[in-house]
Amino acid sequence: DTGVSQNPRHKITKRGQNVTFRCDPISEHNRLYWYRQTLGQGPEFLTYFQNEAQLEKSRLLSDRFSAERPKGSFSTLEIQRTEQGDSAMYLCASSTPLAGGEVNEQFFGPGTRLTVL
Amino acid sequence: AQTVTQSQPEMSVQEAETVTLSCTYDTSESDYYLFWYKQPPSRQMILVIRQEAYKQQNATENRFSVNFQKAAKSFSLKISDSQLGDAAMYFCAWGDSGGGADGLTFGKGTHLIIQP
Repeated sequence: DTGVSQNPRHKITKRGQNVTFRCDPISEHNRLYWYRQTLGQGPEFLTYFQNEAQLEKSRLLSDRFSAERPKGSFSTLEIQRTEQGDSAMYLCASSTPLAGGEVNEQFFGPGTRLTVL
Repeated sequence: AQTVTQSQPEMSVQEAETVTLSCTYDTSESDYYLFWYKQPPSRQMILVIRQEAYKQQNATENRFSVNFQKAAKSFSLKISDSQLGDAAMYFCAWGDSGGGADGLTFGKGTHLIIQP
């Protein structure tokens, strides 16, 4: 297992187009997170999955954004009708509780850099 | 809502010296976790160190240690014997203890420069 992977690494699209990103978490991790990181800022939480269930969505996740995690494995993040303000790095992270239920670290993928022209 | 503040946009240190990165946070929770993540240029974020709020002892990982002051809501990172490979963006992050459903709350980061 080589960690969290994300594809594509870079995506350039025109305003109004739809884009989809994929995240493959570490195989035994049941928790999956999506974040958005703009230039000069720290990552901002978008949404959280526990197995296949999407349990939390940030107010940042507008109606144009949708995320899925079928079968509790990989996840996709789709942005419809992209806007220039969507340009950012989209990060995926996965995690699993430690023994005793303690919160473990989140392991991050390399991100997908989206540029909307 | 939780907030995390990193007041140093950029720090510079000579190789082999010690540097301290500051982080303050605001929360009404009593049980939580704090993290320092490192993001090298064009590379993915990796965990440097974590601290459980219920533990009074400060966490240490080799050359990295924290000064956790719960009452002051302060969580600074000390890097000893700085190395060129330490150059990166460093993010302080807050996480809840309820299973992580809300994700991590990050600061804006500190850009650490290592002078050879």
